[in-house]
Amino acid sequence: DAGITQSPRHKVTETGTPVTLRCHQTENHRYMYWYRQDPGHGLRLIHYSYGVKDTDKGEVSDGYSVSRSKTEDFLLTLESATSSQTSVYFCAISDESRGRTEAFFGQGTRLTVV
Amino acid sequence: QKEVEQNSGPLSVPEGAIASLNCTYSDRGSQSFFWYRQYSGKSPELIMSIYSNGDKEDGRFTAQLNKASQYVSLLIRDSQPSDSATYLCAVRPNQAGTALIFGKGTTLSVSS
Repeated sequence: DAGITQSPRHKVTETGTPVTLRCHQTENHRYMYWYRQDPGHGLRLIHYSYGVKDTDKGEVSDGYSVSRSKTEDFLLTLESATSSQTSVYFCAISDESRGRTEAFFGQGTRLTVV
Repeated sequence: QKEVEQNSGPLSVPEGAIASLNCTYSDRGSQSFFWYRQYSGKSPELIMSIYSNGDKEDGRFTAQLNKASQYVSLLIRDSQPSDSATYLCAVRPNQAGTALIFGKGTTLSVSS
């Protein structure tokens, strides 16, 4: 496995509370991504980062914010969790150097908002 | 909006048969194409990448790319029950720094 660690792996939280998910990589890859995966929708991009402090929105960014203060860490925050944000969240990384554009995924975080 | 389309399946094949998984994409300028395998409850695992027209073989897997038809396929020869999983097609649009766009996946079931 690529050196990607997501934490926590499972979380149950209440509606309206803020939640932060962490992705940590040891590969020194420039690009990091947050996806969510839901039945019938597949993997959808929430936000991504192309360097420290450089981030951009994805397809389903409403209600989410991100931060990347170090190359190795990419945080996803649900500002006020809603039941529609119950999902499995995956972090991914890619190098983009020497034409290598593959992305590698972390183990995922299963989030339940009650 | 850039899209990647796959048949959801399930695709059922007997053990030892060839499984053929297909994917079409909308962004004609896309340059990088990937197949991921995802077992139930696990994260996607990269199994093939292909960047130029034609075939690319790796063990029992062959990826085929036809950019003119905007079509990518994955062939799995001598299918095994352990190949039963969801297969995700992913495409990277031709813009620097953009993320992979995924199809919804095709579920493959290999019966022994």
